[in-house]
Amino acid sequence: EAQVTQNPRYLITVTGKKLTVTCSQNMNHEYMSWYRQDPGLGLRQIYYSMNVEVTDKGDVPEGYKVSRKEKRNFPLILESPSPNQTSLYFCASSLSPGYTEAFFGQGTRLTVV
Amino acid sequence: GQQVMQIPQYQHVQEGEDFTTYCNSSTTLSNIQWYKQRPGGHPVFLIQLVKSGEVKKQKRLTFQFGEAKKNSSLHITATQTTDVGTYFCAEFMDSNYQLIWGAGTKLIIKP
Repeated sequence: EAQVTQNPRYLITVTGKKLTVTCSQNMNHEYMSWYRQDPGLGLRQIYYSMNVEVTDKGDVPEGYKVSRKEKRNFPLILESPSPNQTSLYFCASSLSPGYTEAFFGQGTRLTVV
Repeated sequence: GQQVMQIPQYQHVQEGEDFTTYCNSSTTLSNIQWYKQRPGGHPVFLIQLVKSGEVKKQKRLTFQFGEAKKNSSLHITATQTTDVGTYFCAEFMDSNYQLIWGAGTKLIIKP
């Protein structure tokens, strides 16, 4: 089954404690991205990757890091989380950005206290 | 940065009434995509519009792309409880390979 898998689904952490949210897709997609979703703001892109070892900033990259060492995986790293990073996060992948549908993971609800 | 204006933010309807959401951009779009997000779920792709003036239908859903490719709409005829959720448009920026999302329109069925 074609899917994007994110883990964990829920996470509560404390300010400053490094965390990683994993994302994996099994569709051999080249394009992957991370979004955060906040009420009334839609989805805002954090980082995206066109292919292995190629990543670029989206609209809201501050406080986040990513890596793309393998085609299937695209982890999101918060080196020092802060309360304003409390949000719902989605990973997505697509064959061709903007010209084919994006497949989304189930989401990770992160709370930073 | 580039924004897609989507209105309204919420729409309350009686079951059986119609629903419409609109997206507007200040620039000419390459294409526009529509997604649906059920409560507690993730966005799911509905359709992509590419051509000027394009109209596509999926059962009770009608999608339109403006002649100038600067606006788009999604119309649902005779809403059902299964239509509940938030509908998003998303435009693709060729210049930086980003998908820019509208804020979404939440469809709420009145009890």
